[in-house]
Amino acid sequence: AQSVTQLGSHVSVSEGALVLLRCNYSSSVPPYLFWYVQYPNQGLQLLLKYTTGATLVKGINGFEAEFKKSETSFHLTKPTAHMSDAAEYFCAVSPGGGSYIPTFGRGTSLIVHP
Amino acid sequence: EADIYQTPRYLVIGTGKKITLECSQTMGHDKMYWYQQDPGMELHLIHYSYGVNSTEKGDLSSESTVSRIRTEHFPLTLESARPSHTSQYLCASSERTGQGNTIYFGEGSWLTVV
Repeated sequence: AQSVTQLGSHVSVSEGALVLLRCNYSSSVPPYLFWYVQYPNQGLQLLLKYTTGATLVKGINGFEAEFKKSETSFHLTKPTAHMSDAAEYFCAVSPGGGSYIPTFGRGTSLIVHP
Repeated sequence: EADIYQTPRYLVIGTGKKITLECSQTMGHDKMYWYQQDPGMELHLIHYSYGVNSTEKGDLSSESTVSRIRTEHFPLTLESARPSHTSQYLCASSERTGQGNTIYFGEGSWLTVV
C-alpha cells in the first residue's frame, strides 16, 4: 500500500520568493512520483514526474522536484514565485506498473502575495 | 498531453433528475477514472475502469454508476440527483504502461443540484 502526505494545506509566499511545497510518501516498492497543479475551476495538469534515472526532475513553469529515497520525499520547488503560480498543488505516488492507481495527497494551496 | 473531454462543464439541475456526465478521450488509453472533488478539497476516486466492460468502485462510496462500452467513452450517471451530489467531477485516463501510470485529467464538470 502507498500513501502521500503533503505538509501544510496552505503555503504563503511573496512574489519573487522561493516556493517549497513538501511531499512525503510511503511505498512498499520503488515509487513513481508526480506533482500536479490545479487552477480554479479546472482539472489537474501534470507538472512533472519521477519514474527512474535522475533524481532531480524539471517540469513546466520553472518547477522542479528532487526524489530523495532516504527521506522518502519528493518536495516541489521554484526559485522565484510569480502571481500566476497561485493554485492548488497535488503530490501523487504510484508503486509503478500499469496496473496500479496513483494515490493523491490532500493538496497544498499556494498563495502568492504581491 | 492527453486529450480528454468532459461535458457539460457546468450544470444546475433539480432534485430527483437523472443526469449523465460525459467523458471521452482520444488517446486510446485503457484505464479511465472518475474523481469527485469539493472546492479546495482533496480528490476522491469514485469509479475506475481497466478497459471495455470493466468497471470498479473506488475508495469513496458513490450513488453514481458508470459504463465502459467503448474504449474512448466513460460516462457517469446519477439516476436521481440530490443536493449532496453537488460537487466537481473530474474524469481522467492513463496508459497501461510501466512508465508510472501517468494520469491525465479533463477540465471537470461542475454539478449543482438544487
